[in-house]
Amino acid sequence: SQKIEQNSEALNIQEGKTATLTCNYTNYSPAYLQWYRQDPGRGPVFLLLIRENEKEKRKERLKVTFDTTLKQSLFHITASQPADSATYLCASRGSYIPTFGRGTSLIVHP
Amino acid sequence: KAGVTQTPRYLIKTRGQQVTLSCSPISGHRSVSWYQQTPGQGLQFLFEYFSETQRNKGNFPGRFSGRQFSNSRSEMNVSTLELGDSALYLCASSLESSGRSRSSTDTQYFGPGTRLTVL
Repeated sequence: SQKIEQNSEALNIQEGKTATLTCNYTNYSPAYLQWYRQDPGRGPVFLLLIRENEKEKRKERLKVTFDTTLKQSLFHITASQPADSATYLCASRGSYIPTFGRGTSLIVHP
Repeated sequence: KAGVTQTPRYLIKTRGQQVTLSCSPISGHRSVSWYQQTPGQGLQFLFEYFSETQRNKGNFPGRFSGRQFSNSRSEMNVSTLELGDSALYLCASSLESSGRSRSSTDTQYFGPGTRLTVL
């Protein structure tokens, strides 16, 4: 079955820097990967989707890449702000069962 | 549009009891999926309902069940509660079911969740 792996260690960065989060998948290449943001006590909020035939996707300060050779997606937040502090989840939906990573906590220090 | 709502928000039960959680999707959304989130396992898919039919099911025991009504509202039930069932239960709605098409990219909108504690 598909597994989604994200760095379990929190990522601490200074305000204004670029945060880069990693998502690795095992087995087959999913049709697409999704990135969500989750704040404590709340449900995940959809941010971006990237298909397997797309190299890169952008939305405002967010950028996602998809490398099928490395079986990896990178999620970037440029000019990070303390308000970006949250847990970011990667999910695949290439099969009938959606699979989520455990998420990486991002902490942006002022 | 109002978002996905879930009731109750918090629930405390004891082992052996059963519980029913409710989810109201965004108006017009016909697909409702349920997830269990725990610190150890992360977010895990329970099942998806579309037009009152279960479309997909995750790897959970039969104690976990659900249903969907004609107005797309959904309930999930957990019988014979165990300590390990303590978790945040999330419901997500989308316009269409993406469980049958590899290319379908319908966005899921999550509710705030129900925090279930089993004592």
